[in-house]
Amino acid sequence: SQQGEEDPQALSIQEGENATMNCSYKTSINNLQWYRQNSGRGLVHLILIRSNEREKHSGRLRVTLDTSKKSSSLLITASRAADTASYFCATDGNDYKLSFGAGTTVTVRA
Amino acid sequence: DAGVTQSPTHLIKTRGQQVTLRCSPKSGHDTVSWYQQALGQGPQFIFQYYEEEERQRGNFPDRFSGHQFPNYSSELNVNALLLGDSALYLCASSSLERTDTQYFGPGTRLTVL
Repeated sequence: SQQGEEDPQALSIQEGENATMNCSYKTSINNLQWYRQNSGRGLVHLILIRSNEREKHSGRLRVTLDTSKKSSSLLITASRAADTASYFCATDGNDYKLSFGAGTTVTVRA
Repeated sequence: DAGVTQSPTHLIKTRGQQVTLRCSPKSGHDTVSWYQQALGQGPQFIFQYYEEEERQRGNFPDRFSGHQFPNYSSELNVNALLLGDSALYLCASSSLERTDTQYFGPGTRLTVL
């Protein structure tokens, strides 16, 4: 079973617009991470936010974490065609595994 | 610095057969995890290996087994293949000190006919 759920399932935006996707999870976590996957290939690590952090930035990415609501959001600013991919949130608790949601598919139109 | 590598890239098998997938971790990493990703789904944790021992296992049947070698590379074996085993199999490596940050390989696409 999936620990997290991403919302929306799919997102289509114009190049230059911002893309926002959300992730909700069920159990307490140590960290929450976001990954990108292009065309069903390997996952690329984007950003990690720890449970005691509320917001983190990396380039055009902004991640927020609300542990009281068990939710996170990923914002991609000024989107590009190369941002077209599936995005997954993953959580880790006191065990060694990452638990992934089902992902958000983002399409950036030129 | 080579990242995580996996072989083969694609594989086609028939029901009942056995398959072995291979993974070489990123340089400096000693821990290998395996994930199964069905079409349209997120990856599901299969198991993790450290010091040649299975350290943690997800909700997968005993048909799924693994091995880690002294050079930290790893194999995933699946016996008695079912149609439902068709998926992308991802290997991820990490260091013991930072198991929260896992680096993924490109995956092996397994099709069971």
